[in-house]
Amino acid sequence: NAGVTQTPKFQVLKTGQSMTLQCAQDMNHNSMYWYRQDPGMGLRLIYYSASEGTTDKGEVPNGYNVSRLNKREFSLRLESAAPSQTSVYFCASSVTGAAQPQHFGDGTRLSIL
Amino acid sequence: GDSVTQMEGPVTLSEEAFLTINCTYTATGYPSLFWYVQYPGEGLQLLLKATKADDKGSNKGFEATYRKETTSFHLEKGSVQVSDSAVYFCALNPNAGNNRKLIWGLGTSLAVNP
Repeated sequence: NAGVTQTPKFQVLKTGQSMTLQCAQDMNHNSMYWYRQDPGMGLRLIYYSASEGTTDKGEVPNGYNVSRLNKREFSLRLESAAPSQTSVYFCASSVTGAAQPQHFGDGTRLSIL
Repeated sequence: GDSVTQMEGPVTLSEEAFLTINCTYTATGYPSLFWYVQYPGEGLQLLLKATKADDKGSNKGFEATYRKETTSFHLEKGSVQVSDSAVYFCALNPNAGNNRKLIWGLGTSLAVNP
């Protein structure tokens, strides 16, 4: 009964390093999302994937890339990490349909020095 | 554009007090409305939802009624417990075309003291 699984849970990077955050869901959901959460800013959408094979930019896509590897997996890549990308990152998934809720992972806490 | 406005926190209550967290929205059409809860160190969990006007969502003693006339979806609980200490997020889905993205409020932090 895993739901949405994110790895790693914690990571510290140096400025300029690259990293991929992994996300997998076992609920057969079509849509997947990447958010960042910063104090006082709420949740901000980075990228989303409405279905396998498609990805679209959200509010704050700069500095990130995504890959929808298959229906289960949706990864987020930081090519050259910057201190402004220090944040908590959440992956979520949902069934297709406007009334359907999103299901969240437990987050990745990323610090960039 | 579509938006969600929540009351600012933090909200601090004593155990067994009555809770209201205000949420108002702006949307064209007929959005679906959600409340999510985030406990410390965890991801967000759906608390309740309502998909049309006058619907009442409820879960774990929490309730919220979809009021189209006042464009509101206020969260209420009659008697809070220490374990309700968390951050609460109001969100809407515009239900417009193929838009599957949620519009989020900024969150309201609740601390319940014993």
